[in-house]
Amino acid sequence: GQSLEQPSEVTAVEGAIVQINCTYQTSGFYGLSWYQQHDGGAPTFLSYNALDGLEETGRFSSFLSRSDSYGYLLLQELQMKDSASYFCAVRDYSGGYQKVTFGTGTKLQVIP
Amino acid sequence: DADVTQTPRNRITKTGKRIMLECSQTKGHDRMYWYRQDPGLGLRLIYYSFDVKDINKGEISDGYSVSRQAQAKFSLSLESAIPNQTALYFCATSERLNTGELFFGEGSRLTVL
Repeated sequence: GQSLEQPSEVTAVEGAIVQINCTYQTSGFYGLSWYQQHDGGAPTFLSYNALDGLEETGRFSSFLSRSDSYGYLLLQELQMKDSASYFCAVRDYSGGYQKVTFGTGTKLQVIP
Repeated sequence: DADVTQTPRNRITKTGKRIMLECSQTKGHDRMYWYRQDPGLGLRLIYYSFDVKDINKGEISDGYSVSRQAQAKFSLSLESAIPNQTALYFCATSERLNTGELFFGEGSRLTVL
């Protein structure tokens, strides 16, 4: 089966940089995604890494190391609106189908 | 209008009642999913469907059933609701998973008393 680990909570200061790590165990790995979810809202897609390396999208970057089964989401120039939960999710192949399995989420609190 | 619409958004029911949560999408995606979210447990996959005739169990399908009435509609049923099914339920769609991107509805909050 699959398992993903990420910290449950992170606190960072407005304007700073924060890194949220994710380690995973799965067979048939295709890629790692990141989602943002504000309280009471729906998860929204942030990024996807299928290959090793860093992908940058504005203030957000995502990194993957397939050999280490590890990835992270980097948020720069933190803003108060970045306070939310962040989920890593693996896209993998098992039981004859591709699926997306989510981690338990990291609650990010941005403080002034 | 939202691309993925869930109804009802909120529902309170009693133990033993049958409940149906409905999901419709205008994105034209073949793949649809039902996830359950509980505090501290993330999103767990209940059922997924890759087309109208292809429905598969996820990791927590016990106590749930689904129906894919059309490409655009995917319903989740609780035949006899129990309190530990109190949760936030999300429907999601995807075109293909090459980008790992799922599109989520706004969620249906279900409370079973």
